[in-house]
Amino acid sequence: DIQMTQSPSSLSTSVGDRVTITCRASQGISNYLAWYQQQPGKVPKLLIYAASALQSGVPSRFSGSGSGTDFTLTISSLQPEDVATYYCQKYNSVPLTFGGGTKVEIK
Amino acid sequence: QVQLQQSGPGLVKPSQTLSLTCAISGDTVSSNSATWNWIRQSPSGGLEWLGRTYYRSKWYNDYGVSVEGRITFNPDTSKNQFSLQLNSVTPEDTAVYYCARQWRGLLDNWGQGTLVTVSS
Repeated sequence: DIQMTQSPSSLSTSVGDRVTITCRASQGISNYLAWYQQQPGKVPKLLIYAASALQSGVPSRFSGSGSGTDFTLTISSLQPEDVATYYCQKYNSVPLTFGGGTKVEIK
Repeated sequence: QVQLQQSGPGLVKPSQTLSLTCAISGDTVSSNSATWNWIRQSPSGGLEWLGRTYYRSKWYNDYGVSVEGRITFNPDTSKNQFSLQLNSVTPEDTAVYYCARQWRGLLDNWGQGTLVTVSS
């Protein structure tokens, strides 16, 4: 089965900073990569699909890129409401594997 | 607007069966476009896909590796819901369990989550 590895596992930075999270697949998955945001105490929410397409209603400060095995989620200017754990997930085939998550905090 | 409403006990004894139900509104369990998934989140935080059930002229199931052999999915078209049964539970099965719809590949709608604790 394909493994999904995220880095870093956590980060702490200031409001307004640029945040970059990476996700690596152990085998190529084309662009079948989604990103989810889970705010504290809440249900995971779909942010980005097809590696770079923004889900309806998601702020434009979020963006995704990549294809094959290496992917990136970027928050261009971190806002207080972006404090959350972010997960990547492959969906080209089952099992629908998630990355281990990246916890984003405000310094 | 698709909504998923979960129900089921929050406490299960070791070696017994964990049972949860997910009631669907805004879609149908027998949809030819969707699949109906179960995911859990351990106390350490990671998300684990447990499997799915779906209808494509007949019912199909796919299972996550860690629970295959212990897990059963039951779609109920009369009530428009689907359920999860996980047998022979241990404390390691303690987690928040989510149901979710997969549509066009994406887990786009999630239930509210149910914390299930395995303890005597």
